[in-house]
Amino acid sequence: DTAVSQTPKYLVTQMGNDKSIKCEQNLGHDTMYWYKQDSKKFLKIMFSYNNKELIINETVPNRFSPKSPDKAHLNLHINSLELGDSAVYFCASSLQGGGIQYFGAGTRLSVL
Amino acid sequence: GQQLNQSPQSMFIQEGEDVSMNCTSSSIFNTWLWYKQDPGEGPVLLIALYKAGELTSNGRLTAQFGITRKDSFLNISASIPSDVGIYFCAGQLLGNNNDMRFGAGTRLTVKP
Repeated sequence: DTAVSQTPKYLVTQMGNDKSIKCEQNLGHDTMYWYKQDSKKFLKIMFSYNNKELIINETVPNRFSPKSPDKAHLNLHINSLELGDSAVYFCASSLQGGGIQYFGAGTRLSVL
Repeated sequence: GQQLNQSPQSMFIQEGEDVSMNCTSSSIFNTWLWYKQDPGEGPVLLIALYKAGELTSNGRLTAQFGITRKDSFLNISASIPSDVGIYFCAGQLLGNNNDMRFGAGTRLTVKP
C-alpha cells in the first residue's frame, strides 16, 4: 500500500479556475505538509498542519488553502489559478512536527 | 529564506566513480536527512542523522553529521546508472520542531 498518496498525478487547467489536490496518508502520522517544487527543482514548504496547528509560509498567496477533514487527509485548494502556479506539488507527512517526512509522488499542475 | 547551501548543483560522472556532495549552513541543526528524488516521483529518504559526528551507511551511501552541527555530507561509492536523480539534504533547526529546511538539490548524472 502506498504510504502517502496524492491525486491526481497530473492536472491541466485554465487560468482563473479553482482546483483541488487530495492527499491521504496511511502511516498514522500526526503532521502533514504541502510543498511546491518549481522548474529548478527547489522544494518550498507551503503549509504544515496537525490537528492543533496550521503553520503557513507567509509567502504563499491566500488563494491557496489547506483543508483537513481528518488526521489522515490534507487537501490543497487553489482558487483563481494563475500561470505561475504551474509546478509540481508534493504532499508529505511525519509522525511529529519536524520528524522524518515521507512524500507522495507529486501532482504536476499545468495552468494554461 | 533558504538557510541550507547544498553543493554542487549538478554532477556528471562516469559509472564506477565515487561521488561526494554536502550541505552547509550558518545555523545549527539537530537532525540531518538525505533524500533522493527520481524523475516523476517524490523524494525518498536515504539516510537520517541525529547526532553530531554520526557516520551512517546505507549500502554504497555514507553520510555524516558534521561536528559543528552546521553541515553534512553524502558520499556515493562506485556509482551505477540508477543513482541518477536529484539528491536533497534537509535539516531540522535546533529548537524548532516544526522547521525542516531543504537544500536546493544536487542533480546527479551517471554516464555508463
